Amino acid sequence: EIVMTQSPATLSVSPGERATLSCRASQSVSSNLAWYQQKPGQAPRPLIYGASTRATGIPARFSGSGSGTEFTLTISSLQSEDFAVYYCQQYNNWPLTFGGGTKVEIK
Amino acid sequence: EVQLLESGGGLVQPGGSLRLSCAASGFTFSSYALTWVRQAPGKGLEWVSTISYSGGSTYNADSVKGRFTISRDNSKNTLYLQMDSLRAEDTAVYYCAKDRCSGGGCAFDYWGQGTLVTVSS
Repeated sequence: EIVMTQSPATLSVSPGERATLSCRASQSVSSNLAWYQQKPGQAPRPLIYGASTRATGIPARFSGSGSGTEFTLTISSLQSEDFAVYYCQQYNNWPLTFGGGTKVEIK
Repeated sequence: EVQLLESGGGLVQPGGSLRLSCAASGFTFSSYALTWVRQAPGKGLEWVSTISYSGGSTYNADSVKGRFTISRDNSKNTLYLQMDSLRAEDTAVYYCAKDRCSGGGCAFDYWGQGTLVTVSS
């Protein structure tokens, strides 16, 4: 099973600042990596797939990069609606696995 | 507009059974794989099961293998999850998600709002 490790667990950021979230895979997942945003009481919202392709309707301030085992989600200028938990997910191998999540909170 | 609407959750005793349904609309149901993902209270996301577009291939997490069965009815645009021999650790919100591809093993582009399953005596 591929283990996905996200860091940090919590990220405190001021509105307007840049946020950088990391996701590491225990073995290569090529570019088969997705990111999701989840707010309390809501379903996950797709942000990125293929490591760097934004999902439909996702603002350009969200960007994904990386391949192999190291991935990054960058939010260029945090808006109030961006404070949430972010999960990465690999879909290169069965079983599909998610990272433990990074909570982005207001500083 | 793509919609996924889960139903069938509730309170069940350990060892009991439950069948979840996910009614889909807004896309060509028979062309895409579908997946169940769960989230225990206060925890992260856990992949449960995936079924290919035709139902010919299914994939299950080890934690549910032999107890849960995923299926679909393409004539009714509905996805199912039959859950047997339920345990306390199966307590979670269960989401259905639409895969981006037909065979499974893809990212998800739409999620339902989830249905809560509570296993307790």
